[in-house]
Amino acid sequence: QVQLVQSGAEVKKPGASVKVSCKTSGYTFTSYTMHWVRQAPGQRLEWMGWINAGSGNTKYSQKFQGRVTFTRDTSATTAYMELSSLRSEDTAMYYCARKSIATSTFDYWGQGTLVTVSS
Amino acid sequence: QSALTQPRSVSASPGQSVTISCTGTSSDVGGYNYVSWYQQHPGKAPKLMIFDVSNRPSGVPDRFSGSKSGNTASLTISGLQAEDEADYYCCSYAGTYTFVFGTGTKVTVL
Repeated sequence: QVQLVQSGAEVKKPGASVKVSCKTSGYTFTSYTMHWVRQAPGQRLEWMGWINAGSGNTKYSQKFQGRVTFTRDTSATTAYMELSSLRSEDTAMYYCARKSIATSTFDYWGQGTLVTVSS
Repeated sequence: QSALTQPRSVSASPGQSVTISCTGTSSDVGGYNYVSWYQQHPGKAPKLMIFDVSNRPSGVPDRFSGSKSGNTASLTISGLQAEDEADYYCCSYAGTYTFVFGTGTKVTVL
């Protein structure tokens, strides 16, 4: 069965960086794109961008361009999201979500990683 | 890229129906038949309920249906049940390989 398991909660100081992992299993990792979505406390879902797990090509939301980097390790079937220059507004749950091949939708989600930015 | 607009909340009694709207523009909802809907219970990850405007993944009850007219998509829940109480988000493809989510709607079962 398809599984996306994310790394544990993080607490960071303003200005620092955070790297969240998304370990996958149960499907061919390199055949799909992995998207990242975040949700601030009590707020809406916000799309951040994607990485093509096969080619490594990326696309970032304009809001995060320059501050976020998506990478992947094909041997470990794991995707990563690194966000730099953290500020308090980046406190949120970060989700990885696999995009379906056949449709423009996110069919499997990780459990989420809470990133807290606090001095 | 602005969020798609959804009502903040809707409510109904068990057995009744609710419809949630999702309004975008011709650059997202109106331009593509790629609207999906997600259900999110508190503290949980979102769950796919509808894809490509009106298609249900296997395992999703047929009480959930989707449609679209112009720049507005809709999710209807018929025969509302207690377990349907959750937040619901629409999401649309917005061109150039980007996506946009809605503002979210809280469904309350009275």
